[in-house]
Amino acid sequence: EAGVTQFPSHSVIEKGQTVTLRCDPISGHDNLYWYRRVMGKEIKFLLHFVKESKQDESGMPNNRFLAERTGGTYSTLKVQPAELEDSGVYFCASSQGLMNSPLHFGNGTRLTVT
Amino acid sequence: GNSVTQMEGPVTLSEEAFLTINCTYTATGYPSLFWYVQYPGEGLQLLLKATKADDKGSNKGFEATYRKETTSFHLEKGSVQVSDSAVYFCALSDINGGYQKVTFGIGTKLQVIP
Repeated sequence: EAGVTQFPSHSVIEKGQTVTLRCDPISGHDNLYWYRRVMGKEIKFLLHFVKESKQDESGMPNNRFLAERTGGTYSTLKVQPAELEDSGVYFCASSQGLMNSPLHFGNGTRLTVT
Repeated sequence: GNSVTQMEGPVTLSEEAFLTINCTYTATGYPSLFWYVQYPGEGLQLLLKATKADDKGSNKGFEATYRKETTSFHLEKGSVQVSDSAVYFCALSDINGGYQKVTFGIGTKLQVIP
């Protein structure tokens, strides 16, 4: 089966610009998660979709971040306007609906804000 | 809230050396514990897991035992190879609102030299 796909793999933008990250989960996975790892820090939870609904968005840093999952398939994470501290690696993961199903991760998007 | 503490790297070992990466956790419930690995240029992969106290997870020569009394899940391997060079993340999964939520540690970079 195809794994979790993230696009782009790298993005370099200037402070104040907008960037949209995309995640295609494994087909049939209801759960979709976004995580972020800032350089040298732990991987932090951002939010969790169940199908098209936001189950938990307690980790979203502020209102410059907007996540969507229209139709319950792929998801986008938009940062607008980007700030320097938004730099990091953004990971997407998906899992089946079962409670302890393992998370399958994408390769991540490395975002650099200059 | 839940948290995971793991030793900071980098850890540099010679091939065939013994590896230990310490991990302790804090959780309010009865979490499942995981080790994820990220090889260069790739996403996170599940290395091993344990779902209850005294369980031992193992894979590719790596082992970790769920120790409830010491709230630890240390990763060990008896003889590392150059191909084990990667970043290792300790993580726990707890149920929040009926869905699992995964908390990660900071990641430990392992470099194995020939």
